[in-house]
Amino acid sequence: AQSVAQPEDQVNVAEGNPLTVKCTYSVSGNPYLFWYVQYPNRGLQFLLKYITGDNLVKGSYGFEAEFNKSQTSFHLKKPSALVSDSALYFCAVRDAGGYQKVTFGTGTKLQVIP
Amino acid sequence: DGGITQSPKYLFRKEGQNVTLSCEQNLNHDAMYWYRQDPGQGLRLIYYSQIVNDFQKGDIAEGYSVSREKKESFPLTVTSAQKNPTAFYLCASSISEGDRSYGYTFGSGTRLTVV
Repeated sequence: AQSVAQPEDQVNVAEGNPLTVKCTYSVSGNPYLFWYVQYPNRGLQFLLKYITGDNLVKGSYGFEAEFNKSQTSFHLKKPSALVSDSALYFCAVRDAGGYQKVTFGTGTKLQVIP
Repeated sequence: DGGITQSPKYLFRKEGQNVTLSCEQNLNHDAMYWYRQDPGQGLRLIYYSQIVNDFQKGDIAEGYSVSREKKESFPLTVTSAQKNPTAFYLCASSISEGDRSYGYTFGSGTRLTVV
């Protein structure tokens, strides 16, 4: 079975400070990992994904994520937070070799304080 | 622009009534999905379809039904058997289930409320 955990329901960060949204995963094989963002009453928008290769993945809106195989983590980061980054962020995982669908985390609400 | 269109944006259902949520995509994607989103529970898979005229149950299919008569369309019916239907419903699509590295494209959602 595959699973993904987002240990923080909410993250608060001051505008201009670096932000991190945490994600850990569990799969039996190699993982495909994704981050999505959701604004209120909207669908999820794709931010970035890790398939293979470089452990640091760059995505949309200045976000990046670091894949750490030994810690089974895929934390989302941004060097300088904007108020407009305030939203709900979802981490998702899929076993590269299995038959299961994508599993989503429960989401982390990011609040950027002006 | 290609994308997924969900309608209506807001829907109100009376007790004992069936309602149908629309999902249309013009991305030429083979696979389509329906998710239910409740606060604090993330996204839960209701049904998915890998190809026209084929669909499978997800984790919480009871009280829901779907059809896939056209590649572009994957409507979801919330039946009276679904006892707690108030939620935000999201439709998604992907190139194909075979391409496991491809992410999902989501619609903007339908908020269903029981009145």
